[in-house]
Amino acid sequence: DIVMTQSPDSLTVSLGERATINCKSSQTVLYSSNNRNYLSWYQQKPGQPPKMLIYWASTRYSGVPDRFSGSGSGTDFTLTISSLQAEDVAVYYCQQYYNTPPTFGQGTKVEI
Amino acid sequence: DVQLVESGGGSVQPGGSLRLSCVASGFTFNTYWMHWVRQAPGKGLVWVSRIHRDGSTTDYADSVKGRFTISRDNAKNTLFLQMNSLTADDTAVYYCARGGLSGSTNSNWFDSWGQGTLLTVSS
Repeated sequence: DIVMTQSPDSLTVSLGERATINCKSSQTVLYSSNNRNYLSWYQQKPGQPPKMLIYWASTRYSGVPDRFSGSGSGTDFTLTISSLQAEDVAVYYCQQYYNTPPTFGQGTKVEI
Repeated sequence: DVQLVESGGGSVQPGGSLRLSCVASGFTFNTYWMHWVRQAPGKGLVWVSRIHRDGSTTDYADSVKGRFTISRDNAKNTLFLQMNSLTADDTAVYYCARGGLSGSTNSNWFDSWGQGTLLTVSS
């Protein structure tokens, strides 16, 4: 199974400041035949189900504000919130869908 | 809009069984992979199982293999998870999630989620 490791486990960011979350996979999730990274990011607010934010490592899902961006390739990825808003307080998960079983990082809690 | 509504959770004793359901609407159910993902209280997300659009292929996490069975009724737009031989480690919120289109390479992403149903296994 591919192990996904996020860092940090939690971070505190001031309103309007940048938040950066890292995700590392134990093996590549870049599929050479189509040059796509099989990596997604999810946001889970307290008491709610997760929501997809980013897929293909850097494509924002429908309706996701452009302050959220994803980057990286191969085994190292980053989710950036460019200007943190109060409604962004949540736990964020990365996930690989390169193979089965799909696996998640342990989550990063973002607080203000 | 895509909607996924789970039901069937509850409290069960160790060794017991339960069946979860997930009714889908707002999309063509029989063209998508469907998944179950669980989250133990205060913990992270763990994939449980998936099923191909026509039920021909199913996969399970090692932790539930041989005890859980995923199935679907495309005529009723409903996904199921039959859970047997339950233990305390199965206590979690169980989410139904939509995967990618069958035939695509992104079968294992989760672009829509239900609200979840809570299973508690305790004596």
